[in-house]
Amino acid sequence: GQNIDQPTEMTATEGAIVQINCTYQTSGFNGLFWYQQHAGEAPTFLSYNVLDGLEEKGRFSSFLSRSKGYSFLLLKELQMKDSASYLCAVRDGDYKLSFGAGTTVTVRA
Amino acid sequence: ETGVTQTPRHLVMGMTNKKSLKCEQHLGHNAMYWYKQSAKKPLELMFVYNFKEQTENNSVPSRFSPECPNSSHLFLHLHTLQPEDSALYLCASSQDLGGSGEQYFGPGTRLTVT
Repeated sequence: GQNIDQPTEMTATEGAIVQINCTYQTSGFNGLFWYQQHAGEAPTFLSYNVLDGLEEKGRFSSFLSRSKGYSFLLLKELQMKDSASYLCAVRDGDYKLSFGAGTTVTVRA
Repeated sequence: ETGVTQTPRHLVMGMTNKKSLKCEQHLGHNAMYWYKQSAKKPLELMFVYNFKEQTENNSVPSRFSPECPNSSHLFLHLHTLQPEDSALYLCASSQDLGGSGEQYFGPGTRLTVT
């Protein structure tokens, strides 16, 4: 089966940087997604990586190393509104996404 | 309405009831999905439809019955559910299957089976 691991919880201070790691072991690889999900709301798309390297999008960046089965999501200049669950998902075939259990990030003042 | 909408947002049902969840996407997408999200567990893919045709049934029990009358609407019919079926049921859509296109999620239906 598919195995996608990410930490359960992380806490950081407003204005700081937090890095959420995701490791995966899947039968195939066809891209990695990061989603943000606030409590009681829909997951929303943050980033997509299919090639190795860093993708930067404003305060959020995502990194992928396919040889290591590893990705991270970097959140800079943390704001209170960034408190949410962050989901790592791997597309292991044509379209099927396998999700990690999510990392709950709490931003403290 | 924009994006992906789901109704009802909350549902409490007994094990002998029959109910349906509705999803509608206003994005002109061709693919739609049902996911189950239980507390502290990964999202589980249940069903996938592409151009109204079911392309995936991820070993879902028959007490869950999907219906996709057109590319914009997706239903999940529920009957004789079990308490362990209590979860958040999320609908999603994407332009097509695969590619770099992300899935857009609805807000979900919080289901409680008593």
